[in-house]
Amino acid sequence: EIVLTQSPGSLSLSPGERATLSCRASQSVRSSYLAWYQQKPGQAPRVVIYGASTRATGIPDRFSGSGSGTDFTLTISRLEPEDSGVYYCQQYGSSRWTFGQGTKVEIK
Amino acid sequence: QVQLQESGPGLVKPSGTLSLTCAVSGGSLSNSDWWSWVRQPPGKGLEWIGEINHSGSTNYNPSLKSRVTISVDKSKNQFALNLNSVTAADTAVYYCAREVSGSYFDSWGQGTLVSVSS
Repeated sequence: EIVLTQSPGSLSLSPGERATLSCRASQSVRSSYLAWYQQKPGQAPRVVIYGASTRATGIPDRFSGSGSGTDFTLTISRLEPEDSGVYYCQQYGSSRWTFGQGTKVEIK
Repeated sequence: QVQLQESGPGLVKPSGTLSLTCAVSGGSLSNSDWWSWVRQPPGKGLEWIGEINHSGSTNYNPSLKSRVTISVDKSKNQFALNLNSVTAADTAVYYCAREVSGSYFDSWGQGTLVSVSS
């Protein structure tokens, strides 16, 4: 089973700052099967990035994804108050999905 | 846009069976998509439970495989989750979701909290 480890566990930044979230896999992941989700309290997750770097429909261009192999990054270039939440990376391999443990983003 | 809605008991007794249904609207189960169940214990992260496609093929999380059954009812356009021998550790919000091209989940239900308690 591929284990996804996200870092940092949480970060607190001001509006307009840049957020960099990391997702490291225990084995190589096919980029087409790496996605990022945003989850707000009391809500279901919402896909932000899929295929490692493709923004989902309706996601602002301040969100970007990059990486390959075992190291992937979600960058939010200029934080807005509505970007707060927990972000999860997800991968598919060997007929199973796994999620990272999440990074909590707080906007000061 | 496809919509998903979970339903089922909110309280299950220990050692009992958790049974949930996910109704799909605005789209058909009878296509090439896969459909998943995901759960989230209170205050914790997401855990994938398993998936099913329109023909009934399934894949399960190895950690839950011995207790999980996912089935599909195309006539009702819904799929179901059964988890047996539940304990308090199975208390969670349970989500159903649609997979897109096997690469991500684009639609989710609102989630339903299931508590395991006597």
